[in-house]
Amino acid sequence: DADVTQTPRNRITKTGKRIMLECSQTKGHDRMYWYRQDPGLGLRLIYYSFDVKDINKGEISDGYSVSRQAQAKFSLSLESAIPNQTALYFCATSDSSQRGTEAFFGQGTRLTVV
Amino acid sequence: GDSVTQMEGPVTLSEEAFLTINCTYTATGYPSLFWYVQYPGEGLQLLLKATKADDKGSNKGFEATYRKETTSFHLEKGSVQVSDSAVYFCALSDPGWGAQKLVFGQGTRLTINP
Repeated sequence: DADVTQTPRNRITKTGKRIMLECSQTKGHDRMYWYRQDPGLGLRLIYYSFDVKDINKGEISDGYSVSRQAQAKFSLSLESAIPNQTALYFCATSDSSQRGTEAFFGQGTRLTVV
Repeated sequence: GDSVTQMEGPVTLSEEAFLTINCTYTATGYPSLFWYVQYPGEGLQLLLKATKADDKGSNKGFEATYRKETTSFHLEKGSVQVSDSAVYFCALSDPGWGAQKLVFGQGTRLTINP
């Protein structure tokens, strides 16, 4: 089983619908992140969480919200989906106890808003 | 703000050719630097990293050296294989942020022909 699991892997939804993307991890890391990948733009940070009680906006948080239900779970919501939110979404985790430690990524959720 | 600029792709090479993918960065403080690889249909995997100036990261025949004087972290491999075909992302994490958030370059798609 993957250390960082995202569900669903693929989703097509209609404009205006609410949708939730879920992420769970078994690595025991305290920090979790949501990134969005668009062609030619790399990955951009949407939200990040230091621990269950700490949520922070990233560079492109407008139109998104998150919930850290437990140390191992971090969900991303689109309250009213719009077509320019069509993208590949990645959840990631990292361990704060070491400087320069890498992030570990899930396999991604491909979201299409029609 | 912090940023990463990668060599534009796509890059197409023949098997056993020498590979260089350029990466330069702008950051305050002393960031950690990473190369991630994304194989088709998969999430990002760490390829290599370096946490301080003059460090060399290496893995699977790939190498990159942290050059503070030129603010660069170029990826190299002496002899590429078809299995190296993927998208490569250069990224930095500025420990001064305290969040280990990653800033990514736009990605370079590499195709190796037999």
